[in-house]
Amino acid sequence: GQQLNQSPQSMFIQEGEDVSMNCTSSSIFNTWLWYKQDPGEGPVLLIALYKAGELTSNGRLTAQFGITRKDSFLNISASIPSDVGIYFCAGPGGGGATNKLIFGTGTLLAVQP
Amino acid sequence: DSGVTQTPKHLITATGQRVTLRCSPRSGDLSVYWYQQSLDQGLQFLIQYYNGEERAKGNILERFSAQQFPDLHSELNLSSLELGDSALYFCASSVGSSSWEQYFGPGTRLTVT
Repeated sequence: GQQLNQSPQSMFIQEGEDVSMNCTSSSIFNTWLWYKQDPGEGPVLLIALYKAGELTSNGRLTAQFGITRKDSFLNISASIPSDVGIYFCAGPGGGGATNKLIFGTGTLLAVQP
Repeated sequence: DSGVTQTPKHLITATGQRVTLRCSPRSGDLSVYWYQQSLDQGLQFLIQYYNGEERAKGNILERFSAQQFPDLHSELNLSSLELGDSALYFCASSVGSSSWEQYFGPGTRLTVT
């Protein structure tokens, strides 16, 4: 079945540093979504991508839809302590009349002030 | 605040029992999705309803069932609970059957003892 692998698994950085993470799929995707989850909370939608090569920003966050359509990237610039959390990529989880998502394994981000 | 509400926030129950989790989608959203999040399995899609009708099923156990009511709120019923059912259960909603952007509720943490 479809799988989404995220790397790195975890990152420990200093406040102010830039962050890069990626997500790869075993199959082609037409949509990529990036979510952030704080401990004990539900995932929050950060960015949605719909076209290969697309680059979309949301404040200090920038995500890119890879041109192979099998990967996506998320960058965070000038990290701050509230960026701490788990970042998940997600994509379409199957054909048919459903919009179910499959989620990646997550990247845990820790930011030291 | 995503606009999706879930109750209860926490639930502790014994093996063999039955529980009901409740979700109210964002105003105007017709699709409701249920996901299970555990440490070993990550975020897994369980089931989707669209405007009262079941749209898709994931790896949902036969002991689990769901429904969406005319007012669009949804309930997830878990029966004959086992220790392994302990997890976070999230509800998400989206506008329709063609929107990939899903908005998650705060989740229900189920602990089976």
